Amino acid sequence: AQSVTQPDIHITVSEGASLELRCNYSYGATPYLFWYVQSPGQGLQLLLKYFSGDTLVQGIKGFEAEFKRSQSSFNLRKPSVHWSDAAEYFCAVGARGANNLFFGTGTRLTVIP
Amino acid sequence: KAGVTQTPRYLIKTRGQQVTLSCSPISGHRSVSWYQQTPGQGLQFLFEYFSETQRNKGNFPGRFSGRQFSNSRSEMNVSTLELGDSALYLCASIKGGQNSYNEQFFGPGTRLTVL
Repeated sequence: AQSVTQPDIHITVSEGASLELRCNYSYGATPYLFWYVQSPGQGLQLLLKYFSGDTLVQGIKGFEAEFKRSQSSFNLRKPSVHWSDAAEYFCAVGARGANNLFFGTGTRLTVIP
Repeated sequence: KAGVTQTPRYLIKTRGQQVTLSCSPISGHRSVSWYQQTPGQGLQFLFEYFSETQRNKGNFPGRFSGRQFSNSRSEMNVSTLELGDSALYLCASIKGGQNSYNEQFFGPGTRLTVL
């Protein structure tokens, strides 16, 4: 069965500090992996995606993620967090030819000055 | 180009009523997916429509239905509303095609409150 686990419900970091949000997945087929961000009252915005190839992927807003097949993980990182990064972050898994995504429960990021 | 439009943005209904939500995808996109977002269950896939046909369906009761029109606009309907149907309903616009993954562009959602 497909599932995505985001073990951290809420993370607080200081502005300028580094960030890592964890994501573990369980998926029978070759996974397509995504990170989305959601600001209050907004829809989801795609930060980055992994389909194949280089396991370190770069996204928008300075985010990157690394796919580790052996650990079934796809952690999101940012070297220096900005106050505007405060939002909820969702990891999702899908498959080629299938547009139904399975989402994790999300991690809420708070940024303190 | 214009993004994904969902109407209405907010809706209040009472138990037992029915509701119809609308989604207009990005111009040229042929597929639409719907998701339900609640604090308890998170984001869950409802269904996907491609070229007016339901291509995939999540694990929701038959009270949840949808359709897609020839201009790719989609509607979803929930009949006999229950309190637990209170949620943010998100629509995603997808360029189309069945043999590859396509990026999903999400709309702002419709916030449904059932009293």
